[in-house]
Amino acid sequence: KQEVTQIPAALSVPEGENLVLNCSFTDSAIYNLQWFRQDPGKGLTSLLLIQSSQREQTSGRLNASLDKSSGRSTLYIAASQPGDSATYLCAVTFTQGAQKLVFGQGTRLTINP
Amino acid sequence: DAGITQSPRHKVTETGTPVTLRCHQTENHRYMYWYRQDPGHGLRLIHYSYGVKDTDKGEVSDGYSVSRSKTEDFLLTLESATSSQTSVYFCAISEYGSFEAFFGQGTRLTVV
Repeated sequence: KQEVTQIPAALSVPEGENLVLNCSFTDSAIYNLQWFRQDPGKGLTSLLLIQSSQREQTSGRLNASLDKSSGRSTLYIAASQPGDSATYLCAVTFTQGAQKLVFGQGTRLTINP
Repeated sequence: DAGITQSPRHKVTETGTPVTLRCHQTENHRYMYWYRQDPGHGLRLIHYSYGVKDTDKGEVSDGYSVSRSKTEDFLLTLESATSSQTSVYFCAISEYGSFEAFFGQGTRLTVV
């Protein structure tokens, strides 16, 4: 079964810290991996997309890496701010079967001022 | 922002009534998806479409049906709503090749 796992489920850190969120997946045959942000009661905002052929993507203070062979991705947030508080979701599009996203359960991030 | 509109945004309905949720896109993307999001379960795929009139089931399709008669519209129907279908429903689109997904703002459905 194709599964995506995110650890930890929740994380609380003081403002200004650099932090890493983890995502693992069960099958290395993927089209891509996406990181999303979701604020309470809101929709999903795409943060970064990493294609299968890529190793990392960067957007501002965010950097996402992809290691297909080990089935892992990390989202690095530099110099965290209270506005970064949200739930971060990892989703994978596997090549086997239909082209649909499989989501992890998410990491709820709280940045304390 | 990707042009995805979900309607209605909020709905309260009674058990046993039919309900249809609409997803409309202006991006001409081939793939469209319906997910539901529930505490403790995350986002789960209900149905998806890979073209006009081409649809298939996801992991939680029981009690739901879909239709796609035009590229831009994907309808999700609850034939006879139950309390277990109280949830937030998200529509998503993607295109062949990159499969980058974009999501609508969601529909909060309450079945009483």
